Amino acid sequence: DADVTQTPRNRITKTGKRIMLECSQTKGHDRMYWYRQDPGLGLRLIYYSFDVKDINKGEISDGYSVSRQAQAKFSLSLESAIPNQTALYFCATSDPGTGLNEQFFGPGTRLTVL
Amino acid sequence: GQSLEQPSEVTAVEGAIVQINCTYQTSGFYGLSWYQQHDGGAPTFLSYNALDGLEETGRFSSFLSRSDSYGYLLLQELQMKDSASYFCAVRDRGGGKLIFGQGTELSVKP
Repeated sequence: DADVTQTPRNRITKTGKRIMLECSQTKGHDRMYWYRQDPGLGLRLIYYSFDVKDINKGEISDGYSVSRQAQAKFSLSLESAIPNQTALYFCATSDPGTGLNEQFFGPGTRLTVL
Repeated sequence: GQSLEQPSEVTAVEGAIVQINCTYQTSGFYGLSWYQQHDGGAPTFLSYNALDGLEETGRFSSFLSRSDSYGYLLLQELQMKDSASYFCAVRDRGGGKLIFGQGTELSVKP
């Protein structure tokens, strides 16, 4: 089955460390997204990419950077992790052919920054 | 700016009907979607309304009134497995971004 995968699934790190979260998809979708989820705050968009050469900031991009290495891969980096970046992070994809209102989410990465 | 409001919690009993409301404010509107999330797992798409009216998919229906900037998700014949968080989302005029509400946690009791 075409899928969206995220690695690692869980990560504990210390303040100041650089962390990379990876997302891969086999759906063939051009559009990819990174969200973070905090209790009671829903899903907030960090960065999004409509193709390999098109990367855009979302509503909470400060402290994060991304890299779109290929159509299938979209990585999120925390340059210097801080405790308030402790959250659940999701990658998602979408495609105009299947409807832009339907996004397909990966299983998530639970990140804890001590 | 854009914002969505939905109740934080709803409780209902097995077999009942429950309605989860969503009101939104957006600078452009390209559809209202609903997603389901179990216990911090991957959100999954449930339904989408671009035009006014009711869309039915099995036990779940979704309604939209664009003039009222309002929609709801209706869940019928509730089952224990329907206990989850439900998010409404609007599509941004930017062409693909979704703006999510804060989510409604539905608890289904026996």
